[in-house]
Amino acid sequence: NAGVTQTPKFRILKIGQSMTLQCAQDMNHNYMYWYRQDPGMGLKLIYYSVGAGITDKGEVPNGYNVSRSTTEDFPLRLELAAPSQTSVYFCASRGGSTGELFFGEGSRLTVL
Amino acid sequence: GQSLEQPSEVTAVEGAIVQINCTYQTSGFYGLSWYQQHDGGAPTFLSYNGLDGLEETGRFSSFLSRSDSYGYLLLQELQMKDSASYFCAVRSSNDYKLSFGAGTTVTVRA
Repeated sequence: NAGVTQTPKFRILKIGQSMTLQCAQDMNHNYMYWYRQDPGMGLKLIYYSVGAGITDKGEVPNGYNVSRSTTEDFPLRLELAAPSQTSVYFCASRGGSTGELFFGEGSRLTVL
Repeated sequence: GQSLEQPSEVTAVEGAIVQINCTYQTSGFYGLSWYQQHDGGAPTFLSYNGLDGLEETGRFSSFLSRSDSYGYLLLQELQMKDSASYFCAVRSSNDYKLSFGAGTTVTVRA
């Protein structure tokens, strides 16, 4: 079972560069989320989606964009990378009656 | 908005019992979840409380009091592998968002 797959696992960016973090799930979940986690901190919600074609901002959306063209994929775009975006990014999908989140393994991004 | 408070660190010995409290403030409340995260890993789901009371899953139990905006996670018969960070998370009334606390680092000593 693949679950939630994130790529890349590690990436180093220069200030001002752009990139896309990929996220795919094979559980046919409608709800998907992007969180960032800074060292020693909790998870902050960046964007979420309740289905294909529908996205909305979370707590910390500035500097990011998302799209949801299919149920499976929910890519996160970083435009003009800044050192403040150095973090671990987790993608998750939600399923079940408890609203359990299934997380990907994370993408560790460093902006220098 | 939503805010959650939980202790930053707890240390205990193997075999002991640890209780991690979580208080929350939210404009709309749907349920409280708990997640475990080992160093360098992804969070994994432990339990969910939608109604008041105790939910038991093996050595772990979770409790919710909606009137007190309070919940806790109880870890019993602590094992070394329980050393990890534990996060409470509030599910909002619009049912879309899940907001996380800052996490409690549990260290289990021999």
